[in-house]
Amino acid sequence: DGGITQSPKYLFRKEGQNVTLSCEQNLNHDAMYWYRQDPGQGLRLIYYSQIVNDFQKGDIAEGYSVSREKKESFPLTVTSAQKNPTAFYLCASGIPGRFTDTQYFGPGTRLTVL
Amino acid sequence: SQQGEEDPQALSIQEGENATMNCSYKTSINNLQWYRQNSGRGLVHLILIRSNEREKHSGRLRVTLDTSKKSSSLLITASRAADTASYFCATVVQGAQKLVFGQGTRLTINP
Repeated sequence: DGGITQSPKYLFRKEGQNVTLSCEQNLNHDAMYWYRQDPGQGLRLIYYSQIVNDFQKGDIAEGYSVSREKKESFPLTVTSAQKNPTAFYLCASGIPGRFTDTQYFGPGTRLTVL
Repeated sequence: SQQGEEDPQALSIQEGENATMNCSYKTSINNLQWYRQNSGRGLVHLILIRSNEREKHSGRLRVTLDTSKKSSSLLITASRAADTASYFCATVVQGAQKLVFGQGTRLTINP
């Protein structure tokens, strides 16, 4: 059963804590992405990775970090430096290319700072 | 500012009616995509139209692209309650390796 999974579905964090959001895919996709979505808004790109052991900052990378040690996994750490982390986080994967940038999304993780 | 801007921001229609959403963008694109998001869920890819295409159909969906006006429209015919969702356009900007999303149209289908 192919797909992209995210865990946990809901996450609560105290101020000053780092938290890590999991994203796993078994679609054999080279590219993976992390987006942030605020209420009533579109998606903003945090980080993306086109290949294992390589990743690039997106539009709002400050306060976040990622790693890409395996093709299947692209965890996102929300650090204490992110001042307003409460949001819905979406992970996606895809096959990078000029005309084939369709992305496949996970179900999301809702992060709330207490 | 956003590359893609959807219009209207919210749309409420009766079941069975057609729904039309529009997307405008600013720079040259490789392709334009439409996604659907049910409340609190991930996005689902609906349709992709390339910059050299003008119209594309998929079931009850019809997408048009006018590169001279830098705009696209998504038409959902014979709407159903299950079509209630937010719809986003996303563009692949020439030379970039990422999708840029608009802010979405929130569609409500009333039974």
